[in-house]
Order: sequence, then structure tokens, then C-alpha cells
Amino acid sequence: QQQVKQSPQSLIVQKGGISIINCAYENTAFDYFPWYQQFPGKGPALLIAIRPDVSEKKEGRFTISFNKSAKQFSLHIMDSQPGDSATYFCAASIRGGSEKLVFGKGTKLTVNP
Amino acid sequence: EAQVTQNPRYLITVTGKKLTVTCSQNMNHEYMSWYRQDPGLGLRQIYYSMNVEVTDKGDVPEGYKVSRKEKRNFPLILESPSPNQTSLYFCASSFLYRRGAEAFFGQGTRLTVV
Repeated sequence: QQQVKQSPQSLIVQKGGISIINCAYENTAFDYFPWYQQFPGKGPALLIAIRPDVSEKKEGRFTISFNKSAKQFSLHIMDSQPGDSATYFCAASIRGGSEKLVFGKGTKLTVNP
Repeated sequence: EAQVTQNPRYLITVTGKKLTVTCSQNMNHEYMSWYRQDPGLGLRQIYYSMNVEVTDKGDVPEGYKVSRKEKRNFPLILESPSPNQTSLYFCASSFLYRRGAEAFFGQGTRLTVV
């Protein structure tokens, strides 16, 4: 019930292409869905986040799509660049609940020049 | 500069030798937590703290201890480390009203127990 399932484990995209990472959850009490970006040798950093009352949120080249009925959300990276190469984690949390941030297992994105 | 500082960044130790990984944040955050990151397993929460003197177990607390005597510091203690605690550890902090979800992470501590 507390899991967040993330796919794919790894993704290779050509420069300029679209990167898509998918996540699914079971617990309908989750009400906040952040994405974290982690570069090698660094800690994860908050990239973008969405609440379930909206279906899409866009920040620059990064977009979260949210499907509440399917309990799925995804990260789209438009015009992918080599500098986007990193590991991406989706996550979910329950505000006012257990205070825990539940992470997916991560997707290693490689953008080839 | 707003940051979460962990020390040391790298540590090799032997089984059973007590160690402490320090974590300090300068953002006046109430909420702090420790995660371990293992290949194929993602980030798993070890312990968290909602404020001074308030701590609770996360998903994988066995073999670890924490304390929160000051708001800015949240050390992770391994009293008798074992090889299965070899991992990459991250400390994170956030404002309590963000419920730990909008977290700032430290640079990580790579621990090897031999």
C-alpha cells in the first residue's frame, strides 16, 4: 500500500528527444507527488511536484502528468539535453499523515549528444 | 547559502566499531530525516525527527540510532556496524508544514563496513 512503482529502471534518449518516466501508486491517501533529480556524487534535489487536484504541471522543459483515476503520474522531459543525464526519483507523501516520503526505485536517464 | 552538511563524505570502518555520521542544516527546518540508498532499492527512510527531542522510526531503522538535541543537528549513530550497512546515506531536512515532502538533501556519506 505504501509503495510507489517506477519504470523504466534505465532510459537512453537522444539529444532533443522526449524522456518519459512513469510511476504508479496504490495508496489513495497520497496527496503530494514530487520528483527528485540526482546527479552522480550529489544528493537528490527537488525538481517539480504536483498535487492530485491538477492533471498537469509544467516548469520549463519538465512536465508532470497526473491521472488520479489510474493512480499514475509521469515525468516528461521535452527537448532532452545531455545535462539532464541523471537519476530521477518519483515520490509520494501523505500530508499530515506519517510524515514519510515514499520513493520509487529510480530511473537512470542518459541523454546522448 | 542554504544547505544540509553531512560529515564525513566517505568512511571505511570495521565491523563492530561505533561510528557517527553528522548532519547539520542552516535553514531552521523542523523536519529532518535519514535515508539510505542502495542499488535497485532506491531511497529508504531510516529515521526521522519532527522537532527537537522528537524522533521516530522509518522503514529500515534496525541497527541505527539518532538523536535530536538541537534543531539544526541530526546525527546518525551506528553502534555496531555490520557489512549489510554498507550503503550511501543521505540526510534531508524540510519545514514541518511541508511534511518532509519538499526536502533538501545533503551531499551523502558513502559508508563501507568491512
